[in-house]
Amino acid sequence: DADVTQTPRNRITKTGKRIMLECSQTKGHDRMYWYRQDPGLGLRLIYYSFDVKDINKGEISDGYSVSRQAQAKFSLSLESAIPNQTALYFCATSDYGRGEQYFGPGTRLTVT
Amino acid sequence: AQSVTQLDSHVSVSEGTPVLLRCNYSSSYSPSLFWYVQHPNKGLQLLLKYTSAATLVKGINGFEAEFKKSETSFHLTKPSAHMSDAAEYFCVVSGGAGNNRKLIWGLGTSLAVNP
Repeated sequence: DADVTQTPRNRITKTGKRIMLECSQTKGHDRMYWYRQDPGLGLRLIYYSFDVKDINKGEISDGYSVSRQAQAKFSLSLESAIPNQTALYFCATSDYGRGEQYFGPGTRLTVT
Repeated sequence: AQSVTQLDSHVSVSEGTPVLLRCNYSSSYSPSLFWYVQHPNKGLQLLLKYTSAATLVKGINGFEAEFKKSETSFHLTKPSAHMSDAAEYFCVVSGGAGNNRKLIWGLGTSLAVNP
């Protein structure tokens, strides 16, 4: 089984709809992250969490919110989706004191 | 401040020839550096990492990278390209102080391997 899983893998939704992307991990890591990837822009950090009670905004948090339900679960919500939120979304985890992050397979979100 | 620049957005090589993907970084701290690979329609996989041990770092699939502090570079190389190496490659620096470091991503280099 994959260490970091994301659901759904693909989603098409309409403008104005609320959508939640979910991430689960079995690596036992404290730290979890949400990124979006757009062609030519690399990966940009949306939110990150260093433990269950710690949530931090990344560089592009507007229009997004997160919930850390447990050490192993970190969800990203789009309260009212808009077309420029069409992107590939990645969840990642890392261990305390170590820099490398481990990524889920990604969720391809299309907002029409 | 930390930053990373991948000097080539696209690199094309022939199968069996060497691969060189260039990366320069800027860091106020002693950096940790990484290369990640993303195959088409796949997630991101850690290729290798430098964390102040040996300056020549060996990774998976025959890739290696050399940390050169004087040149602030961390170029990725492979002696002989394989068709399966065609992918997007990201150079990453771990920025910030202490244990609150976040990853700073380059914009990626797309590697094409021609038969």
